[in-house]
Amino acid sequence: EPEVTQTPSHQVTQMGQEVILRCVPISNHLYFYWYRQILGQKVEFLVSFYNNEISEKSEIFDDQFSVERPDGSNFTLKIRSTKLEDSAMYFCASSEALYTDTQYFGPGTRLTVL
Amino acid sequence: AQSVTQLDSHVSVSEGTPVLLRCNYSSSYSPSLFWYVQHPNKGLQLLLKYTSAATLVKGINGFEAEFKKSETSFHLTKPSAHMSDAAEYFCVVSGPSNTGKLIFGQGTTLQVKP
Repeated sequence: EPEVTQTPSHQVTQMGQEVILRCVPISNHLYFYWYRQILGQKVEFLVSFYNNEISEKSEIFDDQFSVERPDGSNFTLKIRSTKLEDSAMYFCASSEALYTDTQYFGPGTRLTVL
Repeated sequence: AQSVTQLDSHVSVSEGTPVLLRCNYSSSYSPSLFWYVQHPNKGLQLLLKYTSAATLVKGINGFEAEFKKSETSFHLTKPSAHMSDAAEYFCVVSGPSNTGKLIFGQGTTLQVKP
């Protein structure tokens, strides 16, 4: 069964450093998403992406964040200058269509900012 | 605005007894509703989804949920708990139709005792 994959599974970085989290969505899916879950809190939407453009972003997704689909298979989330409060589990998801369609989630990348 | 409230942060049942995980939602339109499950160190897996067809939705692993518009509820049930059901369960509502955004409840931890 096709699945969404994410690398790395765990990333440790120093405050102020740039990190790139990588995701490989399911191959025939057209819509891509990032969510995050700070320890003990809800899973929160960050951004949705379609046709090489951001469709929607949350207020969390400020100028420190960017997303890119650099080739036909990868989808990346970049955090330019990490802060302590960026420590969280980051989930990538993809779907064939928008709205009512099912989003399939990857296993997550745990980001720890020291 | 859309929101989801999971009424119990922790539910404990004995193996072989019924499971009830409660969820209430708020939405300004007819939403899609989902239940996802997260096993330790795993990604989010879709259990079931409601998209305005039958109000009783059957999912994987014997779970089902009933959409009750009058009560704005979407409770998850299973007749007989299994040890492997121990996990975190998330009730999720779709956001505005052109965004793909999902809005998560805070999660319910299901403990299954032998």
